[in-house]
Amino acid sequence: QSVLTQPPSVSAAPGQKVTISCSGGSSNIGNNYVSWYQQLPGTAPKLLISENNKRPSGIPDRFSGSKSGTSATLGITGLQTGDEADYYCGTWDNSLSGRVFGGGTKLTVL
Amino acid sequence: EVQLVESGGGLVQPGGSLKVSCAASGFTFSSYSMNWVRQAPGKGLEWVSYISSTSSTTYYADSVKGRFTISRDNAKNSLYLQMNSLRAGDTAVYYCARDGNSYFEYWGHGTLVTVSS
Repeated sequence: QSVLTQPPSVSAAPGQKVTISCSGGSSNIGNNYVSWYQQLPGTAPKLLISENNKRPSGIPDRFSGSKSGTSATLGITGLQTGDEADYYCGTWDNSLSGRVFGGGTKLTVL
Repeated sequence: EVQLVESGGGLVQPGGSLKVSCAASGFTFSSYSMNWVRQAPGKGLEWVSYISSTSSTTYYADSVKGRFTISRDNAKNSLYLQMNSLRAGDTAVYYCARDGNSYFEYWGHGTLVTVSS
């Protein structure tokens, strides 16, 4: 049981837009930055979004992040088959004094 | 180019010990905090441990507290995770990750630790 809640899977057609939610509480998302990670099949995770909505160098602007209260959202526009991956949200939890992740969301581009 | 290369994984019996390492290059290792994150086969990511740049501060997940010890050698640009009293539930790919203050900025390719008799 993960501290942060994500939908297990989402799907959309190529070229469409998809959003992935990440729900937490006041001890984690509500008072800390959220980051997002992409894990392509068989590879290590890669940072997609830091500090709620910042894209590292090299990440296309098709990827965006937002946060409101105790929830965060990853948005991906112009979906490509190469975007098929597992996506994870993460943050710090003040009660646990440690980092926490969501359970992950598998994106399928139909 | 930032590179993180883990090593030392392998098969270990329940109750045994193992030490995994992470060799860092392409950045000033002594200026950054570091983490270990693991992923059990077919499962999600689980943060394991954090160490500050000077080793003055460490944090552990409850699941490994008292059994695992994180350490670093800034002279050797290396990060370590000593794992004792290993259990089947510790079977996972172990990634080292450079800390970005509130996120994991760079990740290694991981090393597989299998705990089985």
